Amino acid sequence: KQEVTQIPAALSVPEGENLVLNCSFTDSAIYNLQWFRQDPGKGLTSLLLIQSSQREQTSGRLNASLDKSSGRSTLYIAASQPGDSATYLCAPSWGGFQKLVFGTGTRLLVSP
Amino acid sequence: DAGVIQSPRHEVTEMGQEVTLRCKPISGHNSLFWYRQTMMRGLELLIYFNNNVPIDDSGMPEDRFSAKMPNASFSTLKIQPSEPRDSAVYFCASSLAGGNIQYFGAGTRLSVL
Repeated sequence: KQEVTQIPAALSVPEGENLVLNCSFTDSAIYNLQWFRQDPGKGLTSLLLIQSSQREQTSGRLNASLDKSSGRSTLYIAASQPGDSATYLCAPSWGGFQKLVFGTGTRLLVSP
Repeated sequence: DAGVIQSPRHEVTEMGQEVTLRCKPISGHNSLFWYRQTMMRGLELLIYFNNNVPIDDSGMPEDRFSAKMPNASFSTLKIQPSEPRDSAVYFCASSLAGGNIQYFGAGTRLSVL
């Protein structure tokens, strides 16, 4: 059974700090991996999608890396802002039909 | 495009009643997913469709749950009869052909009393 773990479970930082969120998965034969953000009471918003053949993806202040062989992905947030406060979810997929398995999430709070 | 639209946003019902959740995917998307989110189990995939055909329903918890996709623009998730342990937020998501980004609806918060 594929399992996805995210560390830390919660993180509280002052505005301006650079952050690293970690994701590990038990089966390295992934198809791709997505990072999502979830605001309280809302749905999920996809932030970055990394294909299994890629090593990293960047979007603005966000950078996600993928190391398939070790079963790890990291999400790097540069110059954090209070608007970044949310829960961040990692979701690898196995198989061609994008069957996502979600991690437990990291709850981020960025204080002004 | 308005994104993935789910209705109702909130549903409160009594144990034993039938519950129907609805989803309209983004126009042109050919994959549709139903998820359930609880504090205890996190986000779980219940079922997904490709071109209106159910591909994998192994996440459906039991026979009380059923899902249909009669056409490319509409899907339902039905629970009959409902039980208190079904209380959760149910999300619908859609995407283009496999391997692409999934777009989520705002969810339906279900409370079964």
